[in-house]
Amino acid sequence: EDQVTQSPEALRLQEGESSSLNCSYTVSGLRGLFWYRQDPGKGPEFLFTLYSAGEEKEKERLKATLTKKESFLHITAPKPEDSATYLCAVQVNNNAGNMLTFGGGTRLMVKP
Amino acid sequence: GAGVSQSPSNKVTEKGKDVELRCDPISGHTALYWYRQSLGQGLEFLIYFQGNSAPDKSGLPSDRFSAERTGGSVSTLTIQRTQQEDSAVYLCASSSQVGLEAFFGQGTRLTVV
Repeated sequence: EDQVTQSPEALRLQEGESSSLNCSYTVSGLRGLFWYRQDPGKGPEFLFTLYSAGEEKEKERLKATLTKKESFLHITAPKPEDSATYLCAVQVNNNAGNMLTFGGGTRLMVKP
Repeated sequence: GAGVSQSPSNKVTEKGKDVELRCDPISGHTALYWYRQSLGQGLEFLIYFQGNSAPDKSGLPSDRFSAERTGGSVSTLTIQRTQQEDSAVYLCASSSQVGLEAFFGQGTRLTVV
């Protein structure tokens, strides 16, 4: 069974304090790994797609990396507006279905 | 351009009533997903449509739940005889093809009283 586990569940940072969020996955064949940001009361907002081990993507203060077992979302010098829940999801390469399987999310709080 | 649109944004219904939730995907997107997010929980897959293929219904929690996608565009999720445990945010997403990113709507918050 495909599994996606995110850690930590919650993370409190001071503004400017860099850190990383983890997404570990166990799947039969990865087609893609997706990172989303979700603000309270809103739908998830797409951030990145990663397809193969070693791939990296960057956007402003965020950088996503991928290995064969996990992905990291690195946040450099975060600001209070980066506070949100960050979700990762995997899509697998098989005939069982094409749904995205989501992790439980990491709730990030950045204090000024 | 327009994103994924869901309606209504909020719905309060009495236990036992039927409800219909609507999703307008991004124009041209062939893949459409429905997810459910209960308070403080992760996203639970419900159903997936891809073009004219038979939908993947493997995530529907009971036979009270059904979904249609007409003309490869608009989708309706129907919940019959609603129960209090059906209270959640129902999210719709669409993608231009399998393997590419899916874009989500703002969701419909369903409250069953």
